[in-house]
Amino acid sequence: NAGVTQTPKFQVLKTGQSMTLQCAQDMNHNSMYWYRQDPGMGLRLIYYSASEGTTDKGEVPNGYNVSRLNKREFSLRLESAAPSQTSVYFCASSGTSGRFDTGELFFGEGSRLTVL
Amino acid sequence: AQSVAQPEDQVNVAEGNPLTVKCTYSVSGNPYLFWYVQYPNRGLQFLLKYITGDNLVKGSYGFEAEFNKSQTSFHLKKPSALVSDSALYFCAAGGGTALIFGKGTTLSVSS
Repeated sequence: NAGVTQTPKFQVLKTGQSMTLQCAQDMNHNSMYWYRQDPGMGLRLIYYSASEGTTDKGEVPNGYNVSRLNKREFSLRLESAAPSQTSVYFCASSGTSGRFDTGELFFGEGSRLTVL
Repeated sequence: AQSVAQPEDQVNVAEGNPLTVKCTYSVSGNPYLFWYVQYPNRGLQFLLKYITGDNLVKGSYGFEAEFNKSQTSFHLKKPSALVSDSALYFCAAGGGTALIFGKGTTLSVSS
């Protein structure tokens, strides 16, 4: 059971380039999330998808777009990368739908992105 | 604004001693509270959660957490620390449709 799988694990981009981070979960979870982790700032929510077909902005959505391709997959796209987007990105899923309640989050291993 | 605070960037303890990692929250209503642990170059792993009921919650690897509603705190504890407990610990609160995380506390256990 793979859980939450993220690709790529590492990526270096130049300013202005675009890329997509892929995330897939095999736990039949309804909700999926993208967080970024920066030193001293903890995890900040970028976007989330409470169920297939819906997406909503989190705390720091600017510069990002997401697609909930199906129940398993939730991708994060950087259209024009900036150095401020250098970070570690985590995808997560939870078994609740609609309003978040008691479900715990299951995290991927992270994607380390550097923008030069 | 809703928030979760972890007032200590780092906690240092000797192996075998008790440990406490502090967390306070400012979230409306009765939030669900969580602790996660992160080992180097890994994703976060769930440790324990409080929803309702007994104020002392037991979780994985011998960890427990004490909920105090009047102080809006949810401190992580362990009676006897292990070197292998050294990691980054995050407190989180369910503040709506997604978790709000604290900034994390690095726990260092020396032998």
